[in-house]
Amino acid sequence: EVQLVESGGGLVQPGGSLKLSCAASGFTFSGSAMHWVRQASGRGLEWVGRIRTKTNSYATVYAASVKGRFTISRDDSKNTAYLQMNSLKTEDTAVYYCTSEDYDPMGYYYMDVWGKGTTVTVSS
Amino acid sequence: QSVLTQPPSASGTPGQRVTISCSGSSSNIGRNTVNWYQQVPGTAPKLLIYSSDQRPSGVPDRFSGSKSGTSASLAINGLQSEDEADYYCAAWDDSLKGVFGGGTKLTVL
Repeated sequence: EVQLVESGGGLVQPGGSLKLSCAASGFTFSGSAMHWVRQASGRGLEWVGRIRTKTNSYATVYAASVKGRFTISRDDSKNTAYLQMNSLKTEDTAVYYCTSEDYDPMGYYYMDVWGKGTTVTVSS
Repeated sequence: QSVLTQPPSASGTPGQRVTISCSGSSSNIGRNTVNWYQQVPGTAPKLLIYSSDQRPSGVPDRFSGSKSGTSASLAINGLQSEDEADYYCAAWDDSLKGVFGGGTKLTVL
């Protein structure tokens, strides 16, 4: 069974840092790009960023709202993806989900399996 | 303000057909496929439709998707009470960044 489990959420002060983890199982993690998506309470989904595979040089891309503050990385030996969050703002308060990526025969990719999420609260 | 535009709410009675629209632009839906996610409140989103009109295994064939130009639609036939949830469309923009619709809250009357 494909499974993603996020961890590392918690309460942090504005300006602080936090690192989230996403442990994967049930599929070939090293062959899958990974995404992070967040959702503030009562709000919609917001895409945060993506990291590709070793074959694609672990290339990353980020939403404008987090670029320069957040960094996505991965450790294929541990089947784990990470989201390092620095210079946190109150508006970063949300549930953070990691998702695996799959693609169709034409090469169009999509976010496939989702974890249950971990909650980050930025407050003084 | 979401990049993709969805109606905030939709409703129907059991057995009815309901459609949810998703409007984008030439820089997202116009050049990429659309994916749909179902989110029951308090749970994680679940992939419902990918590549505009494909259903993952396990998704009932009551759900279908379509895309035309810069818009897409999700249709639910034979509405059931368990379909009550939030529905989000998603696509990639021309810089390969993800964009979502604001979500549509579906109520089964």
